[in-house]
Amino acid sequence: GQSLEQPSEVTAVEGAIVQINCTYQTSGFYGLSWYQQHDGGAPTFLSYNALDGLEETGRFSSFLSRSDSYGYLLLQELQMKDSASYFCAVSLTGYSTLTFGKGTMLLVSP
Amino acid sequence: ETGVTQTPRHLVMGMTNKKSLKCEQHLGHNAMYWYKQSAKKPLELMFVYSLEERVENNSVPSRFSPECPNSSHLFLHLHTLQPEDSALYLCASSQVTGGGQPQHFGDGTRLSIL
Repeated sequence: GQSLEQPSEVTAVEGAIVQINCTYQTSGFYGLSWYQQHDGGAPTFLSYNALDGLEETGRFSSFLSRSDSYGYLLLQELQMKDSASYFCAVSLTGYSTLTFGKGTMLLVSP
Repeated sequence: ETGVTQTPRHLVMGMTNKKSLKCEQHLGHNAMYWYKQSAKKPLELMFVYSLEERVENNSVPSRFSPECPNSSHLFLHLHTLQPEDSALYLCASSQVTGGGQPQHFGDGTRLSIL
């Protein structure tokens, strides 16, 4: 079976930096995606990594290490609006759909 | 505001009812998806359509029946559901299936089975 592990909850304060980890054990691996979902809202795409290294998009960065079956999402200069659930998702092949983790709820306090 | 619209937003139905969920995407995408989201569980992929053909069906009970009449519309027909089917049902679309193609989600239909 496929397994993605991420913390269930992370707390931080405004202006801080937080890292949400994702480890995976899957039968194949093509790439790792991250999605954000606010309570009651639609999941929205944040980033995608197919190669090792860091991808930066504004305040958000995503990292992948294929040899360690590990990735993380880094959120900088946290804002209250960043309070949401964050999901990692694996593409098993270049033609397959996504397998999602259970999600990490990020709570940002003043 | 997203390019994927789902109706209704909320639905309460009895176990013997028949209802349908509707999804429409305005993004010109070729792939559409149905997901089930239950509390404390990962998003569960139910069905995938590519160019109006079903390409994946993840062992979903037959009481859920999808329909994709064209690349912009997707339906999920519901019949004789069980209480454990209460969940948020999300529709998504992407340019094509697979790889790192970003999926664009609708706001979902919150389904409650009495």
